[in-house]
Amino acid sequence: QVQLVQSGSDLKKPGASVKVSCKASGYTFTKYGMNWVRQAPGQGPEWMGWIDTNTGNPTYAQGFRGRFVFSLDTSASTTYLQISRLKPEDTAVYYCAREGVALPQYYYYMDVWGNGATVTVSS
Amino acid sequence: QSVLTQPPSVSAAPGQKVAISCSGATSNIGSNYVFWYQQFPGIAPKLLIYDTNKRPSGIPDRFSGSKSGTSATLGISGLQTGDEAVYYCTSWDTSLSGVFGGGTKLTVL
Repeated sequence: QVQLVQSGSDLKKPGASVKVSCKASGYTFTKYGMNWVRQAPGQGPEWMGWIDTNTGNPTYAQGFRGRFVFSLDTSASTTYLQISRLKPEDTAVYYCAREGVALPQYYYYMDVWGNGATVTVSS
Repeated sequence: QSVLTQPPSVSAAPGQKVAISCSGATSNIGSNYVFWYQQFPGIAPKLLIYDTNKRPSGIPDRFSGSKSGTSATLGISGLQTGDEAVYYCTSWDTSLSGVFGGGTKLTVL
């Protein structure tokens, strides 16, 4: 079955960087794009953008341009989210969510979600 | 502050029906599909409704979705205590971004 397994929790100091992973299984990785979604404590989800897993081309939502980078390791069926110059307000659970329609189309249809990776930024 | 507006909470008795509203704009709900997710504490959101009114396989027909103009509604009938969760609506916006509601906590009394 389709499954997305994310890396565990991370505690970082302000100014540091973090890299969150999302390993896919149960389907052909390069056939479906991957979304990233942030959920701050007690808040609703926030769409961060997505990456075309066939071309590696990322698209970032406004507010997630500059410090946030999506990348791939197609040989490992894994997507990464790297956040640099961390701020306390980056404290959140970060989810990867598979795009439910096959590439090259982008439909904004997140059908399967990862288990979430908690990033805590505190001095 | 979320782009889509949902009531913070709704409640109903077991066996009853509840409707959760989601209000947006012509740039999102008014011109694109709506998706609904169910989230339990500490667990990732789960897709309940896609394309405004379709259910993925495995989602019971107690869950339904509809849309009128710039508002969407999630209906849940035959309420069960296991339905207690937070429900989120989301849609694509013509500004080229996904937008979410702030979530509605359902209490089954």
